[in-house]
Amino acid sequence: ILNVEQSPQSLHVQEGDSTNFTCSFPSSNFYALHWYRWETAKSPEALFVMTLNGDEKKKGRISATLNTKEGYSYLYIKGSQPEDSATYLCASGRGSTLGRLYFGRGTQLTVWP
Amino acid sequence: DAMVIQNPRYQVTQFGKPVTLSCSQTLNHNVMYWYQQKSSQAPKLLFHYYDKDFNNEADTPDNFQSRRPNTSFCFLDIRSPGLGDAAMYLCATSRENEQFFGPGTRLTVL
Repeated sequence: ILNVEQSPQSLHVQEGDSTNFTCSFPSSNFYALHWYRWETAKSPEALFVMTLNGDEKKKGRISATLNTKEGYSYLYIKGSQPEDSATYLCASGRGSTLGRLYFGRGTQLTVWP
Repeated sequence: DAMVIQNPRYQVTQFGKPVTLSCSQTLNHNVMYWYQQKSSQAPKLLFHYYDKDFNNEADTPDNFQSRRPNTSFCFLDIRSPGLGDAAMYLCATSRENEQFFGPGTRLTVL
C-alpha cells in the first residue's frame, strides 16, 4: 500500500481566481505521478503523467510541478473558470508495481461565477 | 471515438444478491483494471489483468471475482454484496504508462 495524500480536500473559489493544490507521496522507488480531472457523471480524464524530478507540465491554464526527492506535486489553475469545477485526483505508481496506481482522495474544486 | 465503456452506469442490488458489472474497451489495450471508490475515499485497485493473466490485490475480498473473456471485455462479479460494497466501480485500461478510465458504475446495495 502506498499512501498518497491530497490537500485541501475541497476548495471554493471565485471565477478568475488562481488556485493550487498539493499531492504528496512516498519518494522511495518512485516511478510516475498522474493527475486526473474527474467531472461529475464523466470519466476521469488524464491531465498529466510526470516522471522526472523537476518536471513541469502545462495544458492551457493548468500546470503541474513535480519534486520526487521530497515527494510532492503541485497542480496550478490560472484564472479559474466554472468549467474547471471537478475533482482533481493524483495517483502515484512505484517502479515495482507494474502499472498499479495508488490514488489520493482528491481535491474537489468548485468555481463560482 | 476509442473509449472505455461501463454498463450499467447505475446498479441497484439487494443484500446478498449476486451482481455483475461490465466494462468494454475499443482501445485494444492489453491491461485492464477494476477500482473501487467508496464515498470520500481514494479509488482503490481491486485487481487487474495483463492480457489473460489475472492479478488480485492482497486485500481484495474473496467476494469479488473477475472475468476477462477477451481483450475487449472485463467483468466484475460480486457474489454476495453487502452494504459495505456500495461504491463507485471504475474500470480502466492501459498500454504503457497512462490509464484510461470509464465513467464508472455506481452500485447501491439495499
